Amino acid sequence: SQQGEEDPQALSIQEGENATMNCSYKTSINNLQWYRQNSGRGLVHLILIRSNEREKHSGRLRVTLDTSKKSSSLLITASRAADTASYFCATVPMGDDKIIFGKGTRLHILP
Amino acid sequence: DTGVSQNPRHKITKRGQNVTFRCDPISEHNRLYWYRQTLGQGPEFLTYFQNEAQLEKSRLLSDRFSAERPKGSFSTLEIQRTEQGDSAMYLCASSLQGVVYEQYFGPGTRLTVT
Repeated sequence: SQQGEEDPQALSIQEGENATMNCSYKTSINNLQWYRQNSGRGLVHLILIRSNEREKHSGRLRVTLDTSKKSSSLLITASRAADTASYFCATVPMGDDKIIFGKGTRLHILP
Repeated sequence: DTGVSQNPRHKITKRGQNVTFRCDPISEHNRLYWYRQTLGQGPEFLTYFQNEAQLEKSRLLSDRFSAERPKGSFSTLEIQRTEQGDSAMYLCASSLQGVVYEQYFGPGTRLTVT
């Protein structure tokens, strides 16, 4: 089963604009991560936020986590064509040893 | 390249045939994971190994699926009597035991069952 639900399922924006994706999850977690997957390829880890953190930055990425609402958001600023990909949130439930992925948001950056 | 590698990258097979995929993890990683990903979905956990021991299997892993990691290094995933519903991307990942959330993924093997 899949833990997370990303919203929206698909997003198209103009190059240079900011892209925001949201994720909701079901159980208590140790941490939450975001991954990127280019079409038909493997996953690349983008950023991890721990359950006791509320916000984290990495380059053009900003992640927030609200454990009371069991939700997270990923903001990509100043989008580029190379950001076109699927983005997945992934959680490690408390007491578990595996990552549970959401269904993903397909992001398309228009030139 | 010291990343996770998977072979083959693509496999087309006829229904009823057996297929085997291989994953070579990052050499110092003692945990190895297999996931399945269908179109438009996120990866779904199948099974994982710590060294050569298979510690957990998902209910998605039917009796037709078997995974091994005989020497605690590379792993194989075999699907017997393939069905069209087995068509998917099979992803392998590896990690250190104490850092299970830092999994490094291979490029995947895309299986098409005709």
